[in-house]
Amino acid sequence: GQNIDQPTEMTATEGAIVQINCTYQTSGFNGLFWYQQHAGEAPTFLSYNVLDGLEEKGRFSSFLSRSKGYSYLLLKELQMKDSASYLCAVLDSNYQLIWGAGTKLIIKP
Amino acid sequence: DADVTQTPRNRITKTGKRIMLECSQTKGHDRMYWYRQDPGLGLRLIYYSFDVKDINKGEISDGYSVSRQAQAKFSLSLESAIPNQTALYFCATSALADYNEQFFGPGTRLTVL
Repeated sequence: GQNIDQPTEMTATEGAIVQINCTYQTSGFNGLFWYQQHAGEAPTFLSYNVLDGLEEKGRFSSFLSRSKGYSYLLLKELQMKDSASYLCAVLDSNYQLIWGAGTKLIIKP
Repeated sequence: DADVTQTPRNRITKTGKRIMLECSQTKGHDRMYWYRQDPGLGLRLIYYSFDVKDINKGEISDGYSVSRQAQAKFSLSLESAIPNQTALYFCATSALADYNEQFFGPGTRLTVL
């Protein structure tokens, strides 16, 4: 079966750095997405990785290792507005998105 | 104006009633999706459509039906609503040419009493 694992909840301090991990086992791989979702709102796109390595976009970076079935999202200089759920999703061989359950990130002052 | 819109945004209904949730998009995408989200369970795919004549069941299609009236419109129906269908419902669109990044509507919060 297809499976995506990410921690249920993480806590970090304002101004700090946090890394959210995602491991996956899917039938094929055509890319990995990270989305941000604030409570009660729609998910919004953060990043897309299809090749191994690090993609940096401002305070957010995303890393992919296809051989390990592993990705992480790195958030720097945390702000209170970063409190949200972060969803990892993999595009499988049929170009279907397989979603993780999401990681709820709590930022404390 | 929003690229993906959903109506209604909130709905409270009773067990046994028929409910239709509507989704419209102006992005010109060929692919559309319906998801439900329950606390702690993430997004679960109900139905998806890759074009007007292509409708496919997702992982939790029982109790739901869909209609793709046009490229821009995709409706979700609950023929006889039950309380465990209380959830947040999202419509999404994507285009294969854009590596299938999904764009979400604002969601419909449905409560079945």
